[in-house]
Amino acid sequence: AQKVTQAQTEISVVEKEDVTLDCVYETRDTTYYLFWYKQPPSGELVFLIRRNSFDEQNEISGRYSWNFQKSTSSFNFTITASQVVDSAVYFCALSDRAFYGGATNKLIFGTGTLLAVQP
Amino acid sequence: EPEVTQTPSHQVTQMGQEVILRCVPISNHLYFYWYRQILGQKVEFLVSFYNNEISEKSEIFDDQFSVERPDGSNFTLKIRSTKLEDSAMYFCASGWRGDLYEQYFGPGTRLTVT
Repeated sequence: AQKVTQAQTEISVVEKEDVTLDCVYETRDTTYYLFWYKQPPSGELVFLIRRNSFDEQNEISGRYSWNFQKSTSSFNFTITASQVVDSAVYFCALSDRAFYGGATNKLIFGTGTLLAVQP
Repeated sequence: EPEVTQTPSHQVTQMGQEVILRCVPISNHLYFYWYRQILGQKVEFLVSFYNNEISEKSEIFDDQFSVERPDGSNFTLKIRSTKLEDSAMYFCASGWRGDLYEQYFGPGTRLTVT
């Protein structure tokens, strides 16, 4: 079964602190993609990153970095030097089937982590 | 940059009424999706649509729901007789064959059923 677990419901940090959001996934497929989305208070879903199961290289984009470890089925997200504008709900998601056999690559979302960055 | 649009941004309706939520996917996309997010909860898959038919649907997508691509540009979600528990944010997404795992989300429609 496909499942995404974000055990941290809420995290509160003070501005400039580093923070790591955890994501653990379950899938039986060997080919899959992992995503992170940001949902600010305005409600839209903002795409942050996509990684495929064959690429375990860590990725850095500005203050954001992602650590993908297949051995522990984890795809953690770190924000360095957090800012108030980072306050949002962050969702991790999994997609593990492409367009064959009638199946579609629906996204399976975790329950989200609410990040509050205090000034 | 092309984007998915959704109308209305917020709709209030009375229990038992029919609602139609509208989405305009990105023009060259062929795969369409609806997701739902009850307030404070996770985003849940409802249905996917390709080649003018439903490809996959979740348990949530019961007989009260239907989808349609009436004119080649719009993609609609109809709820026949709304219930209080249908109150949620509904997101439309679209994707194209060239990148099977990428989905572009619209801004969402907040549906409030009173």
